[in-house]
Amino acid sequence: GAVVSQHPSWVICKSGTSVKIECRSLDFQATTMFWYRQFPKQSLMLMATSNEGSKATYEQGVEKDKFLINHASLTLSTLTVTSAHPEDSSFYICSARDGLGGTDTQYFGPGTRLTVL
Amino acid sequence: EDKVVQSPLSLVVHEGDTVTLNCSYEVTNFRSLLWYKQEKKAPTFLFMLTSSGIEKKSGRLSSILDKKELFSILNITATQTGDSAVYLCAVEDWNTDKLIFGTGTRLQVFP
Repeated sequence: GAVVSQHPSWVICKSGTSVKIECRSLDFQATTMFWYRQFPKQSLMLMATSNEGSKATYEQGVEKDKFLINHASLTLSTLTVTSAHPEDSSFYICSARDGLGGTDTQYFGPGTRLTVL
Repeated sequence: EDKVVQSPLSLVVHEGDTVTLNCSYEVTNFRSLLWYKQEKKAPTFLFMLTSSGIEKKSGRLSSILDKKELFSILNITATQTGDSAVYLCAVEDWNTDKLIFGTGTRLQVFP
């Protein structure tokens, strides 16, 4: 149980294009999902908290117009990197909290590696 | 400011050795402490600890929490090369549900 999927697992795109990453909790409902990015040999950096049915809460320094988050259902959150640039290349990871009568634990998706050319 | 500190930063051992990874924290709104293992992809969940003194065990891995002294340890006995990974400690803030991560301990197990 407690499986979180992400799609795609990797993506290469041209500078200026937008990329959408999906995060799904497969066997539980998650009112809260989180989006992180991770650079090589560094720890995870929280970008935003995604709450089902409401606007995402962004961490300081994260541009909300550049990283659009939508949490349309209790099992799906999406992150759209708009007008991507090479400096947006990174490993993006989502997590989902099994908090609705579940384990109260955050489970991570497998991550999406984004490369912007 | 809330913080989670892990030690050592890096550890190199031989197969069969036993290792202890440390995690200390100062978090105002403590809900739970979690351990994750990260290899090449995203972190995989190991343990969640909420109460002091109760050991959680899974095979060769075990962990315990001390809420008075504000630390946790993760033990791995009879290490194998497959244990090589970065082990992350995180504390969940009950107010925001956010995880506050330590920098991780990079464990390398050689045959």
